[in-house]
Amino acid sequence: GAGVSQSPRYKVAKRGQDVALRCDPISGHVSLFWYQQALGQGPEFLTYFQNEAQLDKSGLPSDRFFAERPEGSVSTLKIQRTQQEDSAVYLCASSLVVRSKGGYTFGSGTRLTVV
Amino acid sequence: KNQVEQSPQSLIILEGKNCTLQCNYTVSPFSNLRWYKQDTGRGPVSLTIMTFSENTKSNGRYTATLDADTKQSSLHITASQLSDSASYICVVSERDSSYKLIFGSGTRLLVRP
Repeated sequence: GAGVSQSPRYKVAKRGQDVALRCDPISGHVSLFWYQQALGQGPEFLTYFQNEAQLDKSGLPSDRFFAERPEGSVSTLKIQRTQQEDSAVYLCASSLVVRSKGGYTFGSGTRLTVV
Repeated sequence: KNQVEQSPQSLIILEGKNCTLQCNYTVSPFSNLRWYKQDTGRGPVSLTIMTFSENTKSNGRYTATLDADTKQSSLHITASQLSDSASYICVVSERDSSYKLIFGSGTRLLVRP
C-alpha cells in the first residue's frame, strides 16, 4: 500500500481483556517499529523488527506485551490482561532499509482505551 | 530519563507570523536529530533530519538548526499558515542504536487567523 496501515483505529477494552493490534507496513520495508504514545507525550520505543527477526524488544513495558512479525511483513502487537496504564496510542513505523537515516513512515496509530 | 526536552510546551501565534521552537537533548553518543510534525490523530511526519556535521536544514518554510556542541536545536517556521497547527516533535537517535528514535514531548502550535 501507499502508507503504513494500522487497525483497528480505536479499541476499547475492559481491564483484563487481551487485545491484538495490527500493522501493515509499506510493501518491501525491511524494518518495522512499534511505539507507545501516552496522552500529551512523545512516542516511546517498544520494539524493532528486521524482516521477521525481533532484534530489540527492550522497550516492552512488561511480559504482558508481545509482538510478532512471522513472515516479515504484517506485524501484530498483543497485550494480555490489559491494565488502565496500557491506555495509549500505539504507533507502527516502517523503513525501507536497516538503520535508515531518512524515511521512517508512521501509521496513524491505534488508540487503546482500557476501562 | 528526559533525554529530549522541548520548549515551549505550547504556543499560539497569528497567521503569517514566524515562530521558533527549541529542543535540548542529552542523548550521547549522538547520531542524528529530526523534527517531526504530528497532526491530531495522525502519525508523525518527518520535516528535517540532521547529522552531527550539519548545522542547518530547510524544508520549505521550515528551517532547523543544530548545535551539536551545546546539544541544542531549533525549528523556525516562517510565514505561518493555519495548516501549521500541530505538534512539533524533536527526535534524537543514539549512534549505537540509531534505529531507536528518542522523542521529546513536543510543542503544540496553534495558528490563529
